[in-house]
Amino acid sequence: DQQVKQNSPSLSVQEGRISILNCDYTNSMFDYFLWYKKYPAEGPTFLISISSIKDKNEDGRFTVFLNKSAKHLSLHIVPSQPGDSAVYFCAARTQGAQKLVFGQGTRLTINP
Amino acid sequence: GAGVSQSPSNKVTEKGKDVELRCDPISGHTALYWYRQSLGQGLEFLIYFQGNSAPDKSGLPSDRFSAERTGGSVSTLTIQRTQQEDSAVYLCASSENRGRGETQYFGPGTRLLVL
Repeated sequence: DQQVKQNSPSLSVQEGRISILNCDYTNSMFDYFLWYKKYPAEGPTFLISISSIKDKNEDGRFTVFLNKSAKHLSLHIVPSQPGDSAVYFCAARTQGAQKLVFGQGTRLTINP
Repeated sequence: GAGVSQSPSNKVTEKGKDVELRCDPISGHTALYWYRQSLGQGLEFLIYFQGNSAPDKSGLPSDRFSAERTGGSVSTLTIQRTQQEDSAVYLCASSENRGRGETQYFGPGTRLLVL
C-alpha cells in the first residue's frame, strides 16, 4: 500500500524555468510533509517542509503548496538551476509519529 | 561539523551470510532511524530509536533483521542469512527530537549487494 505517491519518475526542465514536482497521499492522518533532495551516492538532504495547518511555505527559490482536500502537495522551484538536478523525495508523517513515509522519488534534470 | 556517517559505504556478500552495517549519528542527536531504498523505490522505514525508550521496530521486514544502539549513540543494523532481495541502499538518519517538526539528517548510506 503506497501511502505517498510520486507518479512522475522523471522531469526535464530548461534552466531558468519553473520546475513543479507533484506528490499525492492517501492517509488523511498525515499532518506534516517534507521534501528531500538526493544527489547520487549521497544521503537525502532536507529541503523544505509544511504543516497541515498551512497551505503554502516558501524558502527562497523553493515553495511547497499543500491541498488537503485533494491530498496533494507540490514543490515549485523557480528559477531552476543546473545544480537542482537531483532526485526529489516527498515524505509525510502522522501526528505523534517520528518515522517518515516516502514517495518513490522524481528525478529532475535541469537542461542548460 | 560532522554529519551522520555510515560504514561500510559498499558491501558485497554471498547469500546466506550475515552482515553488519554501522551508523554514527550526529553528536547530541537522541533519535536515530534506519531506512532502506531498494532499486527504483522510495525510502522504506525500518526501525527508530529514541533515547532509552523501546525502539519502534515496526518496519523490519523479517526476523532476520535486527538493530541495536549502544550508549545512545552508535547503531548497528544486522541482517542474518542474507537473501538477494536484501540488496538495497541502507540509510541511517538522526535528529534532535526535541519536539515536532525536527529535521532528520541522513548519512550517505551503505550499498549492500547480495550475490
